[in-house]
Amino acid sequence: AQSVTQLGSHVSVSEGALVLLRCNYSSSVPPYLFWYVQYPNQGLQLLLKYTSAATLVKGINGFEAEFKKSETSFHLTKPSAHMSDAAEYFCAVISQAGTALIFGKGTTLSVSS
Amino acid sequence: DADVTQTPRNRITKTGKRIMLECSQTKGHDRMYWYRQDPGLGLQLIYYSFDVKDINKGEISDGYSVSRQAQAKFSLSLESAIPNQTALYFCATSDSGGPYNEQFFGPGTRLTVL
Repeated sequence: AQSVTQLGSHVSVSEGALVLLRCNYSSSVPPYLFWYVQYPNQGLQLLLKYTSAATLVKGINGFEAEFKKSETSFHLTKPSAHMSDAAEYFCAVISQAGTALIFGKGTTLSVSS
Repeated sequence: DADVTQTPRNRITKTGKRIMLECSQTKGHDRMYWYRQDPGLGLQLIYYSFDVKDINKGEISDGYSVSRQAQAKFSLSLESAIPNQTALYFCATSDSGGPYNEQFFGPGTRLTVL
């Protein structure tokens, strides 16, 4: 069965520091993977998606993620954090039947000045 | 205007009451979903619908029912609300023509059951 595990429910960084949010997946088929962001009091917004076209995926707001099959990982990074990046981030994988998304439990990113 | 809208945005109700949450979309997508978000648990799928006549249970459907009134409308009902149904509820849509099932989310409905 498909699943994702997000390591660390809360990550704190300083403004300008590297952001690294970890996601590991389990999949019996080649996975389609997503990162979504949820700003306070808002719905989820797609940051980026992996669809097997390229292992390094660039998304919005300067985020990117690298698909590593050998490590079953799809970690999200941003070279320099901004205060506006403070939000909750969710990793997700398409279910085996392709019917829905399976979400991780989320990682809250805090950015301090 | 938002592509996926949810009404109401906030609702407080009492145990035992019947509640309906509504979702409308203007994206022209045929697939619609209802999720529940609880702190620290991520999003869990309640129901999904691939067209008006195709409705399926998700992982946590007990205590909930849905109605797909039209391609653009998908409602979630709590027949007899209980306090542990207090949560943030999201509607989402996707296009069956796309291979990756990218989903687009509404702004959410915050439901409190007293």
